[in-house]
Amino acid sequence: EIVLTQSPDFQSVTPKENVTLTCRASQTIGSNLHWYQQKPDQSPKLLIKYASQSFSGVPARFSGSGSGTDFTLTINSLEAEDAATYSCHQSSSLPHSFGQGTKLEIK
Amino acid sequence: QVRLQESGPGQVRPSQTLSLTCTVSGGSISSGSYYWTWVRQPAGKGLEWIGRIYISGSTNYNPSLKSRVTISVDTSKNQFSLKLSSVTAADTAIYYCARASAMAYDYWGRGTLVTVSS
Repeated sequence: EIVLTQSPDFQSVTPKENVTLTCRASQTIGSNLHWYQQKPDQSPKLLIKYASQSFSGVPARFSGSGSGTDFTLTINSLEAEDAATYSCHQSSSLPHSFGQGTKLEIK
Repeated sequence: QVRLQESGPGQVRPSQTLSLTCTVSGGSISSGSYYWTWVRQPAGKGLEWIGRIYISGSTNYNPSLKSRVTISVDTSKNQFSLKLSSVTAADTAIYYCARASAMAYDYWGRGTLVTVSS
């Protein structure tokens, strides 16, 4: 099973800052890496698919990059509504797996 | 717009079988090349992939749960279902159903909390 490790576990940032979250895979997964946003008491929402493709309707301030084992999610000019937990997910091999999540707090 | 809705008992006794159904609306479960998936999330923890079913009936399960999991589909009702047998407290979680489009999960249900308790 492929293990995804996200860092940091928690980050506190101020509005209008830029932030970069990382996800590292235990083995190479190509570009088969997706990012989700989950707000309290809500289900996850797809932000980025295949490492860098924005999902429909997602604000342009969200972007993803990476391939192989190292991936990043960047959020530019943070807004208060971006407070959430962000999780990565690999679909390269079965079983699919998720990172443990990064909780983002907006000060 | 496609919507998914989980339903089923909110409490299950230890050693019993957890049964949940996901009803798909806004589109046919039989159309398109989608995998219909179950994911769970224990309180305060990360997401765990349980398994998936393709419209052909082909299934894949997480090896950590494989001996206890069954996922099935009922196209006439536009639903797919999850059964997890011999549950323990460790199976207490929010259970989500989701649609995988090209392997990314683009639509999710709101989730349903299942508590394993006597």
